[in-house]
Amino acid sequence: AAGVIQSPRHLIKEKRETATLKCYPIPRHDTVYWYQQGPGQDPQFLISFYEKMQSDKGSIPDRFSAQQFSDYHSELNMSSLELGDSALYFCASSLPGINYGYTFGSGTRLTVV
Amino acid sequence: AQSVTQLGSHVSVSEGALVLLRCNYSSSVPPYLFWYVQYPNQGLQLLLKYTSAATLVKGINGFEAEFKKSETSFHLTKPSAHMSDAAEYFCAVRALYSNQFYFGTGTSLTVIP
Repeated sequence: AAGVIQSPRHLIKEKRETATLKCYPIPRHDTVYWYQQGPGQDPQFLISFYEKMQSDKGSIPDRFSAQQFSDYHSELNMSSLELGDSALYFCASSLPGINYGYTFGSGTRLTVV
Repeated sequence: AQSVTQLGSHVSVSEGALVLLRCNYSSSVPPYLFWYVQYPNQGLQLLLKYTSAATLVKGINGFEAEFKKSETSFHLTKPSAHMSDAAEYFCAVRALYSNQFYFGTGTSLTVIP
């Protein structure tokens, strides 16, 4: 079965650079969520999109932005990277309806040096 | 506000022994509750979910959880631990009218041969 695809799997950037993370949801899933998981921490909600519109916003820094495109894939753009941005970034997708669990991608591991 | 508390950041059991991972939720109304498993360097995989139907929920890999409103708990159990169960387990809550998940801090399960 198709899963949530994230790219790249690993990314190394220097401080103050920019990074773009991509997420391709499961077909027919119209809701995409982004989470950030620091080393040894639980996933923290960043932002979500439903039908290409932002639906919810969590602890996403102003330096980050995201959008969902017409094909439902989503991109998380991160600028002025800081060392503390080093983390595992997960994308998840779900069907419409609030009683569904998310399906998570394998994540993008971002290392800022 | 929604939140979950996982008691015990590390749990060790012998192979074949009972697995019990604790999760308590905080919510003014019974929320939707989920357990996710995360293997090293992988994404979060849904184990099971409670969505106000049966209080005893069976999931994959022999895991199950029981929703107890009186105790505001959703503990995860498995009768007999297997070496392959060693992973990080996250309890998560989702409010009835929200897209956002709130994760617990996770419990690392070690299975001793």
